[in-house]
Amino acid sequence: GQQLNQSPQSMFIQEGEDVSMNCTSSSIFNTWLWYKQEPGEGPVLLIALYKAGELTSNGRLTAQFGITRKDSFLNISASIPSDVGIYFCAGQLPLTGGGNKLTFGTGTQLKVEL
Amino acid sequence: AAGVIQSPRHLIKEKRETATLKCYPIPRHDTVYWYQQGPGQDPQFLISFYEKMQSDKGSIPDRFSAQQFSDYHSELNMSSLELGDSALYFCASSSDPSGEQYFGPGTRLTVT
Repeated sequence: GQQLNQSPQSMFIQEGEDVSMNCTSSSIFNTWLWYKQEPGEGPVLLIALYKAGELTSNGRLTAQFGITRKDSFLNISASIPSDVGIYFCAGQLPLTGGGNKLTFGTGTQLKVEL
Repeated sequence: AAGVIQSPRHLIKEKRETATLKCYPIPRHDTVYWYQQGPGQDPQFLISFYEKMQSDKGSIPDRFSAQQFSDYHSELNMSSLELGDSALYFCASSSDPSGEQYFGPGTRLTVT
């Protein structure tokens, strides 16, 4: 199925550094979501973006919904060891039958060095 | 806050056996989604239900079926299991109008 292009694929950074990752698509989405997944666990919703151009923060996390509605980025400031995990972007569109359809990015694996 | 509950968390089956995975959505969530995630992959959408009716279907094998019950819980039934069915299976739930999907902890299915 369709995937979103997410970059970088992996990052290995020092504790305290800022992190930036982005997601691009050839399709327009109504909503952009960012999830974090740790090994063997389900994805945890971090941030949801509903409007083109919207900039939203959640603690040390900041995400933006691109003006074209085809991209989004996630920044993590002052990274800490517990930020380790895989970050997925996801574009969302409504289903005519009810609910929403998520298309996931390919994921960014973040590793933090003490 | 209550989260999505999935059971069992781990399941080991042999080839050609059947398996049933259960999902209990967040209270007052009316939509349930099932995903399959292989090692190193992003979650792949299988099927979804809104108000107990199938609302969308993804890359779900014909050997799999699912339904949503009157109490909104859902079950994924998998028959004639194959080695390639070994994966993490996630259930997610959402409610209108915002529609964000919240994922459960997953069921790890191992087929031997």
